[in-house]
Amino acid sequence: GENVEQHPSTLSVQEGDSAVIKCTYSDSASNYFPWYKQELGKRPQLIIDIRSNVGEKKDQRIAVTLNKTAKHFSLHITETQPEDSAVYFCAALTGANNLFFGTGTRLTVIP
Amino acid sequence: GAVVSQHPSRVICKSGTSVKIECRSLDFQATTMFWYRQFPKKSLMLMATSNEGSKATYEQGVEKDKFLINHASLTLSTLTVTSAHPEDSSFYICSIGLAGPYEQYFGPGTRLTVT
Repeated sequence: GENVEQHPSTLSVQEGDSAVIKCTYSDSASNYFPWYKQELGKRPQLIIDIRSNVGEKKDQRIAVTLNKTAKHFSLHITETQPEDSAVYFCAALTGANNLFFGTGTRLTVIP
Repeated sequence: GAVVSQHPSRVICKSGTSVKIECRSLDFQATTMFWYRQFPKKSLMLMATSNEGSKATYEQGVEKDKFLINHASLTLSTLTVTSAHPEDSSFYICSIGLAGPYEQYFGPGTRLTVT
């Protein structure tokens, strides 16, 4: 089955700096990779996603890159702001159409 | 995106009783809904895929007789935790996908505490 690993588990950055979160997956049939932001006690929110036919996607301060050969994908947040502080989850949609989540990264942006 | 609601947001029940959680899609007709479980400070784990008008598909290790899923309409799926035990205490959260399992939007979750 799919195994999604996510690093780091915690990340602290100064406001204005960039943050990078990395994930790897094992199922070569996985073809869709969303990223979710979850604030304490709230629902996960879809912030960006990428399909396997694309290598990079950007939406304002957020970008995701995908390396299918190496089976890894990354989330990049530039010009971080305190409101970016949350837990971020990566996920991979397997060939069986099940969404497997990474273990999460707690991002803290220090003002 | 899609707007998803869940009810109740919190429930406390006694061991041995059953609890029903509702998941509603407010602005999208969802033939498929997904049920996840999230332990404190942990990731989301898919429990089952709810299919409108047919039986749910359960993930390995999830007891279908304990976690009953009914998807009677395109806007409502229910999860019933039967004969609840303290180890069933968790955050249960549903989602709908705008295109099958793609672009999943989550409900606000239900925190279940079994005493």
